[in-house]
Amino acid sequence: IQMTQSPSTLSASVGDRVTITCRASQSISSWLAWYQQKPGKAPKLLIYKASSLESGAPSRFSGSGSGTEFTLTISSLQPDDFATYYCQQYNSYPWTFGQGTKVEIK
Amino acid sequence: QVQLVESGGGVVQPGRSLRLSCAASEFTFSNYAMHWVRQATDKGLEWVAVISSDGNTKYYADSVKGRFTISRDNSKNTLFLQMNSLTTDDTALYYCARRSTSLDSWGQGTLVTVSS
Repeated sequence: IQMTQSPSTLSASVGDRVTITCRASQSISSWLAWYQQKPGKAPKLLIYKASSLESGAPSRFSGSGSGTEFTLTISSLQPDDFATYYCQQYNSYPWTFGQGTKVEIK
Repeated sequence: QVQLVESGGGVVQPGRSLRLSCAASEFTFSNYAMHWVRQATDKGLEWVAVISSDGNTKYYADSVKGRFTISRDNSKNTLFLQMNSLTTDDTALYYCARRSTSLDSWGQGTLVTVSS
């Protein structure tokens, strides 16, 4: 299953509402996760099962979608949120990741 | 706090082998499926392999199938990745990760460089 994220890069300011889209090449129901990765660090799970917030993740992060179209929304971008975000399907093996969306400071 | 510590990375020539380890602590290792995920420098994440909690079920990415073998020793709380017939395309930082909600805990990674 191929996962396609858009955009690849996003420039935004602190306080902006940010949306990242992830599309699956076939239906994955709600078996989708979102991760945040900062340079030199391991990925961190933010959202699982498309819309469930991982324990400890800030509530400004939310996920939605099912089937083949999904979104990650950051309601009000904070300085700590500048990072790369990946979607990942776990509907079936082999699991696959999107190519990533880098959120940069505008 | 869940701890996952990878080791075993290094520089290896093409065609040679390497065995990675991932030492787990602060959780009941035998209750969880475990994964390997890799990331080439400045590239995205690539899922590599998974092993079930009891070690009986394994799946692999097409890119490593037939060359890599995932295994675990639940008595020693350790996950392994045996990598054979390495190519330059296998050069990456290799992470082990625990499957809970999804991949909820990750190690810091161990770097594998395949170069002549």
